[in-house]
Amino acid sequence: QSALTQPASVSGSPGQSITISCTGTISDVGGYNYVSWYQQHPGKAPKLIIYDVTNRPSGISHRFSGSKSGITASLTISGLQPEDEADYYCSSYRSSGTYVFGTGTEVTVL
Amino acid sequence: QVQLEESGGGVVQPGRSLRLSCAASGFTFRSFGMHWVRQAPGKGLEWVAVLSYDGINRYYADSLKGRFTISRDESKNTLYLQMNSLRDEDTAVYYCAKGTQGTYIEGFLEWPSMDVWGKGTTVTVSS
Repeated sequence: QSALTQPASVSGSPGQSITISCTGTISDVGGYNYVSWYQQHPGKAPKLIIYDVTNRPSGISHRFSGSKSGITASLTISGLQPEDEADYYCSSYRSSGTYVFGTGTEVTVL
Repeated sequence: QVQLEESGGGVVQPGRSLRLSCAASGFTFRSFGMHWVRQAPGKGLEWVAVLSYDGINRYYADSLKGRFTISRDESKNTLYLQMNSLRDEDTAVYYCAKGTQGTYIEGFLEWPSMDVWGKGTTVTVSS
């Protein structure tokens, strides 16, 4: 099961917007609207920030937004803040009850 | 509050077995599907397995080749992961995670996102 493809790193200055891509196939990202995004700070457990492509769980900042086009999903962080510096992972449902994560993206706030 | 706490990790020799536990509290455990996810040192997240809320439907990552078994005990509000024939590449932090909400996908109730995670338990496979 090959992972979804994410850029290894993305950076931005405070206040800027950045976008992280997550590319899969028609069997996962392209075939289902069940893409999730997770934020993970060093040494901590992942935290759900987007589910079902565009939905934010309660308590998650409106600065995080998700979208999808074809086989590529995207996470946009607006108004970048120092606490957004973390690793970000996408995940997708992939048929027959299985799931797959992305390769992960390290976000650096300059 | 809603909590998950993993236990059972440790150092184990290649070829041996280990059982991980995940104690759930603060929510109706029997109503939610549950996942195991692992993360090798310095690497990304890897989905391992999922078990439906009723313990009937279970699915695994292809890479595990039948070595792992996920199960649950409703009377103890606990999720398990039985790991057999352990290999060096199974060395990782293992997280349990609660499915956010059940969603029907192609006629089956699935759990496509994970809204609560434990802190993880470390498994080291080494001779």
